[in-house]
Amino acid sequence: SAVISQKPSRDICQRGTSLTIQCQVDSQVTMMFWYRQQPGQSLTLIATANQGSEATYESGFVIDKFPISRPNLTFSTLTVSNMSPEDSSIYLCSASAGEGDTGELFFGEGSRLTVL
Amino acid sequence: GQNIDQPTEMTATEGAIVQINCTYQTSGFNGLFWYQQHAGEAPTFLSYNVLDGLEEKGRFSSFLSRSKGYSYLLLKELQMKDSASYLCAVMDSNYQLIWGAGTKLIIKP
Repeated sequence: SAVISQKPSRDICQRGTSLTIQCQVDSQVTMMFWYRQQPGQSLTLIATANQGSEATYESGFVIDKFPISRPNLTFSTLTVSNMSPEDSSIYLCSASAGEGDTGELFFGEGSRLTVL
Repeated sequence: GQNIDQPTEMTATEGAIVQINCTYQTSGFNGLFWYQQHAGEAPTFLSYNVLDGLEEKGRFSSFLSRSKGYSYLLLKELQMKDSASYLCAVMDSNYQLIWGAGTKLIIKP
């Protein structure tokens, strides 16, 4: 199993500012992902954080808005840039410790962002 | 398009049994996951099915029928702590996880 720590756990931000969320895993993992979850809705994958290279973004998400870093196998950051109220959501870091792509996902406790 | 359907909300009584259904239409299939998510907390893994049939794990069981695009999560001997959202997710042929919106389960004494 993997324990994932995220910070901040919550923040209130002003429109137009940027916020970086940090994700730390207690063990080396193969895959790390960033999700967004609106209240009462499903998880939406933002991107796969690739170690040592650019993240792989899903349709509707771009690097300029959501820059991601993954300098090593246990750490990643997601920045939400130039925030607007529509960015208010819970952002979840997750990791797969299994072999290949079918391992179970472990999640951080999420970062709840409110943009005023 | 790809789609995961599960009921929005269900209510059950403590000590009873409840079945949460999930139907899916995806581009290929590489397994189906069930996750539990308590309010304000991270989702936690419950089960993984890739072959047809029933997988039992304590009070929780998960069933899969690939031909029908159907799964259910069965919770027995319900406890108040089982009140949570239950997320169904399918891994498609590209190993992408497609998530359902979750079923909020309310347990009443």
